[in-house]
Amino acid sequence: QVQLVQSGAEVKKPGASVKVSCKSSGYSFTSSDINWVRLATGQGLEWMGWMNPKSGKTGYARKFQGRVSMTRNTSITTAYMELSSLRSEDTAVYYCATSYGYFDGIAHSLDAFDIWGQGTMVTVSS
Amino acid sequence: QSVLTQPPSASGTPGQRVTVSCFGSSSNIGSNTVNWYQQLPGTAPKLLIYSNDQRPSGVPDRFSGSKSGTSASLAISGLQSEDEADYYCAAWDARLTYVFGTGTKVTVL
Repeated sequence: QVQLVQSGAEVKKPGASVKVSCKSSGYSFTSSDINWVRLATGQGLEWMGWMNPKSGKTGYARKFQGRVSMTRNTSITTAYMELSSLRSEDTAVYYCATSYGYFDGIAHSLDAFDIWGQGTMVTVSS
Repeated sequence: QSVLTQPPSASGTPGQRVTVSCFGSSSNIGSNTVNWYQQLPGTAPKLLIYSNDQRPSGVPDRFSGSKSGTSASLAISGLQSEDEADYYCAAWDARLTYVFGTGTKVTVL
């Protein structure tokens, strides 16, 4: 079964950092980028950036540059997203997502995310 | 700071057709394909439409997508109670970022 399983909920104080993990299974971890998306209460989905698990190359949304780091450990097929200098506005559910694209017995080229993690709630509060 | 604009809400009675619009620019919708996601409360987003008008396996054919120029639309025909959710359009931007729409809450009356 193709899936992404994320780490559990976190509570952090303002100014601290949080590191969320995303473990893949059921497909080749290095075959597609891992993206991170967040959803804050009352807000819409917000894309944070991508990481290529094969090369480690990353690309971040301008809003998060300097504050986010996306890494991976290929030996355990796990991706990580670390966000630093947390503030209350970072309270959100964080999702990892990827383009798998294999369905109906055919590999489809997707510019979309069809596999998502279950989400990790990060609460920033003093 | 979503760069794709959607109406905040849409509604219909069971069986009706509902459409959700998505407005972008030449750097995103104008030059890349559009995807649509459905998000039910408390769950992860689900890919509903990719490449403007393609449905992944398992998505009912009452969901359809279209694109024209710098705008796109999602149509739900034969609206059902389980379609009550938030819907987001999305596309890659020429600046190598992925942008989501502002989101539309669809209510089944």
